[in-house]
Amino acid sequence: NAGVTQTPKFQVLKTGQSMTLQCAQDMNHEYMSWYRQDPGMGLRLIHYSVGAGITDQGEVPNGYNVSRSTTEDFPLRLLSAAPSQTSVYFCASRRTESNTEAFFGQGTRLTVV
Amino acid sequence: DQQVKQNSPSLSVQEGRISILNCDYTNSMFDYFLWYKKYPAEGPTFLISISSIKDKNEDGRFTVFLNKSAKHLSLHIVPSQPGDSAVYFCAASAGGNFNKFYFGSGTKLNVKP
Repeated sequence: NAGVTQTPKFQVLKTGQSMTLQCAQDMNHEYMSWYRQDPGMGLRLIHYSVGAGITDQGEVPNGYNVSRSTTEDFPLRLLSAAPSQTSVYFCASRRTESNTEAFFGQGTRLTVV
Repeated sequence: DQQVKQNSPSLSVQEGRISILNCDYTNSMFDYFLWYKKYPAEGPTFLISISSIKDKNEDGRFTVFLNKSAKHLSLHIVPSQPGDSAVYFCAASAGGNFNKFYFGSGTKLNVKP
C-alpha cells in the first residue's frame, strides 16, 4: 500500500526559483491538504482541496499555488521561492466522511538559499 | 498568534510510568480535537480524538481529557513504552469545519527504558 507519496524528499532552491512539490494518494480520498512544519510553530495549513477542481486557502497560503485536476494528485507550486519558505512540507489526505484520520506523506524538506 | 499551544517542548518519562502531554487553546469555538504522533523522518499518524460533547475518550493505553472551561486538553499514556518516544501534536477545529485544523507546536516525548 503506497498511501500518500510525496516527491522529492529533499530539495534546495535558490531564491526566486520555482518548483512543484508533488503529492499523490492511492486511497481514492476526496480531501487533500498541504501543511508546512516550522520549529516552534507546529503544522500550519497552506491549501486544501475537497475534490477534483475544488481548492481553498488555509492558514498560510501566500506564495503557494495549488490545483486539483485529478482525485489522486495535489501538487503544490512555489512560483518564486523565498528563504521564508524553507520548511518541511507535508501532504495529507482523508475520506470526506472521516473528520479525523488524515494520512500524511513522509514530508519534503525544502531549503531556499 | 497561535490558537493551539503546547507549552512543553519536551518531556522525559521512565518506562512503565504515566506520560501526560498538555495542550491549551484560545479559540472558544474549537469543538473537535485530535492528537497525532510523529516519528523522525515520517509523517504524523493519527492517535486519538475527542469531541467537545465529551470530557474523556479512551483507546487502549491512550486517554484524552478535555476541560472546556479551562480550554485545556491532555493526553495520558499509561503505561509508557520506549516505542512511544515521538513528537506529539494536538490539533483543533471549529464549528464542524474538519477541513481546517490548527496544530500546536508539538511535545517531544522520551520514554527511558
